[in-house]
Amino acid sequence: EVQLLESGGDLIQAGGSLRLSCAASGFTFSSYAMSWVRQAPGKGLEWVSGISGSGDRTYYADSVKGRFTISRDNSQNTLYVQMRGLRAEDTAVYYCAKDCSSTSAPVCFGPWGQGTLVTVSS
Amino acid sequence: EIQMTQSPSSLSASVGDRVTVTCRASQSIVNYLNWYQQEPGKAPKLLIDSASRLQSGVPSRFSGSGSGTDFTLTISSLQPEDFATYYCQQSYGALPTFGPGTKVDIK
Repeated sequence: EVQLLESGGDLIQAGGSLRLSCAASGFTFSSYAMSWVRQAPGKGLEWVSGISGSGDRTYYADSVKGRFTISRDNSQNTLYVQMRGLRAEDTAVYYCAKDCSSTSAPVCFGPWGQGTLVTVSS
Repeated sequence: EIQMTQSPSSLSASVGDRVTVTCRASQSIVNYLNWYQQEPGKAPKLLIDSASRLQSGVPSRFSGSGSGTDFTLTISSLQPEDFATYYCQQSYGALPTFGPGTKVDIK
């Protein structure tokens, strides 16, 4: 069974930095692209960033490009996102998601972790 | 960036009703369209990929159709566990984008 467990969410001041982690199990981690998708309180889903299975290709939404860095450690089956220059509008539940296809780019997302809450105070 | 719209934004329906949710892309996305269900307080769940391919374990009352710019998610007979928010998402463009969601609640 695929399991994804996010951690690292916290209350942080605007301008600060935070690193989220997602521990994966139940599948061959290095064979799949992974993504971070966020959901602001009471709002819809926003894809944030993705990374290929090997880690050599990364993708970012315009809203986080230059501030967030996605990475993965295939030896530890763990996905990361380093977030810098955090803004109030980055407040959201952050989900990690396994890609449902075996392509290197983010295509479709499933399953998802349970999410971790990042709150940025201004 | 490819923009996704959904209609309606919300609907009220009864158990047993046939429900249809529409998703429209700002340009042709061929069939690179996925549907998700999100129950309150839970993570989203992938229902359908490639416009019409039902994921394993998803009940057959769910179906997807469409190509180009217009797509439809249909629930043939609404069940109590189907009251949720449904999102479409395109994967044709350089970066994935989601629709704003359609909330299905109890009439």
